[in-house]
Amino acid sequence: GQNIDQPTEMTATEGAIVQINCTYQTSGFNGLFWYQQHAGEAPTFLSYNVLDGLEEKGRFSSFLSRSKGYSYLLLKELQMKDSASYLCAVIESNYQLIWGAGTKLIIKP
Amino acid sequence: DAGVIQSPRHEVTEMGQEVTLRCKPISGHNSLFWYRQTMMRGLELLIYFNNNVPIDDSGMPEDRFSAKMPNASFSTLKIQPSEPRDSAVYFCASSLHRLNSGNTIYFGEGSWLTVV
Repeated sequence: GQNIDQPTEMTATEGAIVQINCTYQTSGFNGLFWYQQHAGEAPTFLSYNVLDGLEEKGRFSSFLSRSKGYSYLLLKELQMKDSASYLCAVIESNYQLIWGAGTKLIIKP
Repeated sequence: DAGVIQSPRHEVTEMGQEVTLRCKPISGHNSLFWYRQTMMRGLELLIYFNNNVPIDDSGMPEDRFSAKMPNASFSTLKIQPSEPRDSAVYFCASSLHRLNSGNTIYFGEGSWLTVV
């Protein structure tokens, strides 16, 4: 069956680094998205991975291992504004998008 | 660029009333999605249109829910009759084509529905 697992909540300190993991079991694979969602707002696109490896975009990086069904989102130099939920989503072979429940990230001063 | 536009942003209605949510996708986008988000169930796909045709409506909860896309620039999600358990945020989203490399999905700001 389809399944995407992410930690429910994480806490980190301003200025530090945090890694949010996502593991998936889906019917085929056509790519993986990470989205950020601030409380009361819509999800916004952060990154897309379809090949193994690390994609870096400023303070945010996303890693994918297709053989392990695993991805992580790495946030560096954390800022208070990074407090949000982070959603992992996988595109299956039929191009359906399966969403994880999201990881609520709390940044403390 | 105008993003995905939804209306109303907030609606409070009484149980049994009809609710109509509206969406204008990004111009040129061929795929449109209706999602529902709650704390308990997270983000759930209700229905997906491609080129105005419903492709997958398996997520529509029951017959009380219906969705239409009469043209490429407009879609509606209707709940009749509404029930308190329908209270949620309803997001409309669009993408250029079916989801693959580079075709990210863009969300509207959501319609916050409360049924009392």
